[in-house]
Amino acid sequence: DVKVTQSSRYLVKRTGEKVFLECVQDMDHENMFWYRQDPGLGLRLIYFSYDVKMKEKGDIPEGYSVSREKKERFSLILESASTNQTSMYLCASRTGGDYGYTFGSGTRLTVV
Amino acid sequence: DQQVKQNSPSLSVQEGRISILNCDYTNSMFDYFLWYKKYPAEGPTFLISISSIKDKNEDGRFTVFLNKSAKHLSLHIVPSQPGDSAVYFCAARRISGANNLFFGTGTRLTVIP
Repeated sequence: DVKVTQSSRYLVKRTGEKVFLECVQDMDHENMFWYRQDPGLGLRLIYFSYDVKMKEKGDIPEGYSVSREKKERFSLILESASTNQTSMYLCASRTGGDYGYTFGSGTRLTVV
Repeated sequence: DQQVKQNSPSLSVQEGRISILNCDYTNSMFDYFLWYKKYPAEGPTFLISISSIKDKNEDGRFTVFLNKSAKHLSLHIVPSQPGDSAVYFCAARRISGANNLFFGTGTRLTVIP
């Protein structure tokens, strides 16, 4: 089975801190995605990547950046964490020919 | 602008009965639809999908129906079981352009024993 691993299940950070959320997949998938899930808003796409060093903005990229230096790893960076970035963050990956995603278990980030 | 909508945030159903979860979409360029199930503190897992060239797809207790003219799809779970209690997300993919999925806001299903 494809495995998508997010490095932290729970994180608590202070306002203004730089935060790194890491995601690793083990099946050589080309496409990787970062979503955030908030009650009443569903899953919203922050950034995605088709390949190494490639990135595309999703629907809500403000306040975030990403890095994909290796195919298996896709990092989400909160440049200066704010309380409105408190959320569940979900990473997903997918092969080019497959419609479905495989999600990680999520990182629940709280910014205080 | 929410292109995939799930207008019922929650649904409660008795064990053994049918659960019907609904999803509407606005973009006629969507060609593939998926349902995901999410338990608390876990990532969503793929449940069932349907191509726009079909109107029904069945997998065990789960059936998805697609009405393209109404831009509506539904997920039927028969019979419902307590382990089905979760949040269900509808998702859609566009024919062209970026390959990302568009997700609905989710419906929390509670199956009462």
